[in-house]
Amino acid sequence: SQQGEEDPQALSIQEGENATMNCSYKTSINNLQWYRQNSGRGLVHLILIRSNEREKHSGRLRVTLDTSKKSSSLLITASRAADTASYFCATDAARGKLIFGQGTELSVKP
Amino acid sequence: NAGVTQTPKFQVLKTGQSMTLQCAQDMNHNSMYWYRQDPGMGLRLIYYSASEGTTDKGEVPNGYNVSRLNKREFSLRLESAAPSQTSVYFCASSEQGITEAFFGQGTRLTVV
Repeated sequence: SQQGEEDPQALSIQEGENATMNCSYKTSINNLQWYRQNSGRGLVHLILIRSNEREKHSGRLRVTLDTSKKSSSLLITASRAADTASYFCATDAARGKLIFGQGTELSVKP
Repeated sequence: NAGVTQTPKFQVLKTGQSMTLQCAQDMNHNSMYWYRQDPGMGLRLIYYSASEGTTDKGEVPNGYNVSRLNKREFSLRLESAAPSQTSVYFCASSEQGITEAFFGQGTRLTVV
């Protein structure tokens, strides 16, 4: 089974609203990463948070990590129609393998 | 820089045929990956290579073989294609297994 599980599976919001996606994982990690995928294209890296960090910001993105709960959240503030995409969390399982969750499909309506 | 290049972009195979998906990266990365993506399943790791000459199974290795030909290239081979292998295949690379990964644009494979 996959290491990361995203919640919700799908999210629909209006432009300007905030979008929050959650990721839970099963085993201990060195870091957790978030990626974005536009319809059928390759994934693009958004942000990496290390296991000893609790929060990280990058532009309109805010990521939190709670290692005691084995969970992370991605917040996109002031969303735009161009943020419509699928978002995936990924963790480094044993021996450096990068394992992805099932993703959250975000739709931002203008 | 081209980044990660996958060929072909599209392929249709008949059940039982074989083919090799090619992947090359020009970033001097050590780690390379092959994933498959199916609707509702996210990305699942097929095989992983931590460095030239080493490969390791991922979550769904059955029916596939890989070769890390050199530091740049990592190929995925389907010896006898099955309809269950219809999927979009992505190759990725990273400096190490725990750093940012860069993805190719994918190969859309249909097995009929």
